[in-house]
Amino acid sequence: EPEVTQTPSHQVTQMGQEVILRCVPISNHLYFYWYRQILGQKVEFLVSFYNNEISEKSEIFDDQFSVERPDGSNFTLKIRSTKLEDSAMYFCASSKQGAKVEQYFGPGTRLTVT
Amino acid sequence: AQSVTQLGSHVSVSEGALVLLRCNYSSSVPPYLFWYVQYPNQGLQLLLKYTTGATLVKGINGFEAEFKKSETSFHLTKPSAHMSDAAEYFCAVTPSGSARQLTFGSGTQLTVLP
Repeated sequence: EPEVTQTPSHQVTQMGQEVILRCVPISNHLYFYWYRQILGQKVEFLVSFYNNEISEKSEIFDDQFSVERPDGSNFTLKIRSTKLEDSAMYFCASSKQGAKVEQYFGPGTRLTVT
Repeated sequence: AQSVTQLGSHVSVSEGALVLLRCNYSSSVPPYLFWYVQYPNQGLQLLLKYTTGATLVKGINGFEAEFKKSETSFHLTKPSAHMSDAAEYFCAVTPSGSARQLTFGSGTQLTVLP
């Protein structure tokens, strides 16, 4: 069964450094998403991406964040200058189309900012 | 604006007993509703969803949920708990229509006692 994959599973970085989290969505999916979960808190929506552009973003997704689909398979989340409060589990998801269709989630990348 | 409330961050049941996980939502438009499960070190997996039609929906692993508009609820049930059901369960909502971002509840950790 196809699945969303994410690398790395755990990333440790120093405050102020740039990080890139990588995701490979399911191949025939058209919509891509990033969510994050700070330890002990809710899963929060960050951004959705369709047709090579951002379709929705939350207030969390500020200028420090960017997303890109550099090729036909990868979907990346970049944090330009990490802060301590960026420490969280980051989930990538993808879906075929439309709001009725489920989003398939990857296993997550745990980002630790020291 | 929309929100999801899951009553009980931790629920314990005996093996073979009824599982009831509560979810209430608020949404300014008719919502689509989802239950996701997360096993340790894995991503979020869809259990079931309600979009339109029959208000009692059946999902994987014997789970079901009933959409009750008058109560703004979407509680998850399973008649007989199994040890393998131990996991964290998340209720999520998205407005019907074009919006696709999921708003999650805070999750309920289910423990199944032998």
